Amino acid sequence: DGGITQSPKYLFRKEGQNVTLSCEQNLNHDAMYWYRQDPGQGLRLIYYSQIVNDFQKGDIAEGYSVSREKKESFPLTVTSAQKNPTAFYLCASRDRLSGNQPQHFGDGTRLSIL
Amino acid sequence: AQTVTQSQPEMSVQEAETVTLSCTYDTSENNYYLFWYKQPPSRQMILVIRQEAYKQQNATENRFSVNFQKAAKSFSLKISDSQLGDTAMYFCAFTSRETSGSRLTFGEGTQLTVNP
Repeated sequence: DGGITQSPKYLFRKEGQNVTLSCEQNLNHDAMYWYRQDPGQGLRLIYYSQIVNDFQKGDIAEGYSVSREKKESFPLTVTSAQKNPTAFYLCASRDRLSGNQPQHFGDGTRLSIL
Repeated sequence: AQTVTQSQPEMSVQEAETVTLSCTYDTSENNYYLFWYKQPPSRQMILVIRQEAYKQQNATENRFSVNFQKAAKSFSLKISDSQLGDTAMYFCAFTSRETSGSRLTFGEGTQLTVNP
């Protein structure tokens, strides 16, 4: 079955450490997205990418970085510059050329500080 | 910039009854899309229903239907015959062809609890 796989499900970060969250999709979607969700709140966009080797900042990109070397993969790195990384992170993808098609989401990664 | 507002942080309903969740949005665009997503305790984001702004007919998906009022910029979700499995956080979301990357703008969410 096609879908989006996020790993790991749980991740712990030490002070001053960079950590990378994985997102892989086999839906052949061009566009991919990273969202952050804090408790009791909606989703906020961190980064998005519409094609390979191209990506744009979302609303809360500071302290995060991404790469898009392959169509299937859009990893998110939470850097030590992100002072409050504890949150739930969701990856999504979408068929870029289809107007009303929704974003499909992975199951998320919960990141906590040790 | 578009904004999406859900004014009901929490709602509850008895099993088998009907409940309506509210959503309003602000945009100057004419061609856009609206979605309701459900996030159960498992934290998965599940698409419930979608509406194209150019369509006057309200979308329906089994027990779920919307009341789309374009002039009022309102997009409410009605859940009929509520079931215990409908307990979840519900998010209203907006996107458009003009929006860069077709990014979604989400409301703050409404926590719905279905009581037995």
